[in-house]
Amino acid sequence: AQTVTQSQPEMSVQEAETVTLSCTYDTSESDYYLFWHKQPPSRQMILVIRQEAYKQQNATENRFSVNFQKAAKSFSLKISDSQLGDAAMYFCAYGTGTASKLTFGTGTRLQVTL
Amino acid sequence: GAGVSQSPRYKVAKRGQDVALRCDPISGHVSLFWYQQALGQGPEFLTYFQNEAQLDKSGLPSDRFFAERPEGSVSTLKIQRTQQEDSAVYLCASSSPGDWTQYFGPGTRLLVL
Repeated sequence: AQTVTQSQPEMSVQEAETVTLSCTYDTSESDYYLFWHKQPPSRQMILVIRQEAYKQQNATENRFSVNFQKAAKSFSLKISDSQLGDAAMYFCAYGTGTASKLTFGTGTRLQVTL
Repeated sequence: GAGVSQSPRYKVAKRGQDVALRCDPISGHVSLFWYQQALGQGPEFLTYFQNEAQLDKSGLPSDRFFAERPEGSVSTLKIQRTQQEDSAVYLCASSSPGDWTQYFGPGTRLLVL
């Protein structure tokens, strides 16, 4: 079975600084998808960034980028120029296709301080 | 267009009561997923529909949990004889054909007393 591990329950970053959230996963599949979702307090889950496993190039979305290391089964999220609005729970997730269930990690709570 | 909506947003039930949670997916989205998110945890998969067909119900924790999507749009998750361990946020997500992104609703927070 696929598993997703987030080893950092909480992280803190100062406004305008950079922070990296870690995620590792385990799978025997060769083709899959990885996601980072953001869940602000009492608000709904939204997609931050996604990566197809067959693509070697790391995905970027504005201030968000990933470091995808397929051999190491590692998928970290880097947030640059952190903003107060980035404070939320961040969940790493794994899926195997367009109609596939997602397997989530336990989440990392990100605090952004002034 | 409108996003995924869920109702009710909050539900308090006495142990042993039956509850029904509703999900309205984004119009045209074929795939619909239900997840259960316990406090402080990541969501866990419950069940998956493609149109009206329930293709995967491997995550339903017991036979007290039942889901349906009779016309391929709105879905209902029913929990019979609720127990305290059923307290969680129930998330619904939908996606369109060929899109890996699942769009989540705001969730229904269920508290069983």
